[in-house]
Amino acid sequence: DSGVTQTPKHLITATGQRVTLRCSPRSGDLSVYWYQQSLDQGLQFLIHYYNGEERAKGNILERFSAQQFPDLHSELNLSSLELGDSALYFCASSVEVNNSPLHFGNGTRLTVT
Amino acid sequence: AQTVTQSQPEMSVQEAETVTLSCTYDTSENNYYLFWYKQPPSRQMILVIRQEAYKQQNATENRFSVNFQKAAKSFSLKISDSQLGDTAMYFCAFMKHPGTYKYIFGTGTRLKVLA
Repeated sequence: DSGVTQTPKHLITATGQRVTLRCSPRSGDLSVYWYQQSLDQGLQFLIHYYNGEERAKGNILERFSAQQFPDLHSELNLSSLELGDSALYFCASSVEVNNSPLHFGNGTRLTVT
Repeated sequence: AQTVTQSQPEMSVQEAETVTLSCTYDTSENNYYLFWYKQPPSRQMILVIRQEAYKQQNATENRFSVNFQKAAKSFSLKISDSQLGDTAMYFCAFMKHPGTYKYIFGTGTRLKVLA
């Protein structure tokens, strides 16, 4: 168990809809990262938050947004969903010191029909 | 921009044998970290091993070891005494330091351990 909690585990929704994915980082970790993994592909970096502030953005679509709350949990909002948004969405957290690794949650599998 | 390349989409190995997964990366940075992550069929991402670029000594973790060649920008993973539970996707990842702590992942190598 990595200590990173993601909910829900599975989500099935229709095109055009909006969903919210939630992530609770490991206790003590201030950084939260979101990654998208499409079928049989690598992980694409979406966005990084540190202690409530956005630190870095990857190839995140304008239809997607995220935030990190004062209690350090994070939410990834996906709107105007398209079939191509179907993927596994991972949240990861870390302590930003030296070579601290990312600790991943179990992911949320989003299926857009 | 940094890139990470894993040129072997799929590999297989007999149980108890040794297998090496390749990873190359491109960066102009001098300080960085490299990681191997394992993703079994459960889809969970599990850290296997990490390497600091400033350390010449190759990292080892039980049956897992790396061959880090900084000049060649190569970071291969060797799995000794392969076990059925090693069947998974393996991702190589790069992190610049200091920096935004954004990890760049390769496209992965699917490893199947055969009984």
